[in-house]
Amino acid sequence: GAGVSQSPSNKVTEKGKDVELRCDPISGHTALYWYRQRLGQGLEFLIYFQGNSAPDKSGLPSDRFSAERTGESVSTLTIQRTQQEDSAVYLCASSPATSGSTYEQYFGPGTRLTVT
Amino acid sequence: AQSVAQPEDQVNVAEGNPLTVKCTYSVSGNPYLFWYVQYPNRGLQFLLKYITGDNLVKGSYGFEAEFNKSQTSFHLKKPSALVSDSALYFCASKTPGAGSYQLTFGKGTKLSVIP
Repeated sequence: GAGVSQSPSNKVTEKGKDVELRCDPISGHTALYWYRQRLGQGLEFLIYFQGNSAPDKSGLPSDRFSAERTGESVSTLTIQRTQQEDSAVYLCASSPATSGSTYEQYFGPGTRLTVT
Repeated sequence: AQSVAQPEDQVNVAEGNPLTVKCTYSVSGNPYLFWYVQYPNRGLQFLLKYITGDNLVKGSYGFEAEFNKSQTSFHLKKPSALVSDSALYFCASKTPGAGSYQLTFGKGTKLSVIP
């Protein structure tokens, strides 16, 4: 079946511009996660959605970052007034269930964001 | 707070030789442990996981990992490396129990298999 998809695959933007990244999770997956991967670094958790519950935004690095998800469908990650330190690969993942579950997360290919 | 360490930034191994990518964890209780692989310009692909039971778990592409509670380790192994195994490998942990959903990742280990 179809995996997690993300768009765009690459985005180059000028400092100060806003960008919007999109994630389509695997159908039926209730949980959705966003991560940031800086060059040579591990994955940094950003935000987590579970169904219609309030999202866990504890990983968002600043108020320039926000994310939305409608129900159990598409999610968008928005970065306002981009800075050069926002340059990274943004990865989205989904899983069938969350709390206490043994399920692994399924990752999309990522969006490579470059802020010039 | 839980943490995962991958002590080697890079591992080089000759094709056909056994490979080991190391991972240690610091998690209260009995964690769930995962290995993911990332090929260039690709997302992470799940390789294997330890939840409970047999300490030796087998996963995709001939990889296996051994959970060692006394050493708090979960090293990834393969008996005979292939050039196509060259990639970035991530170890991750998760604390079992209600309310737990976040994966904690190590920084990754770059594996290079030399022909």
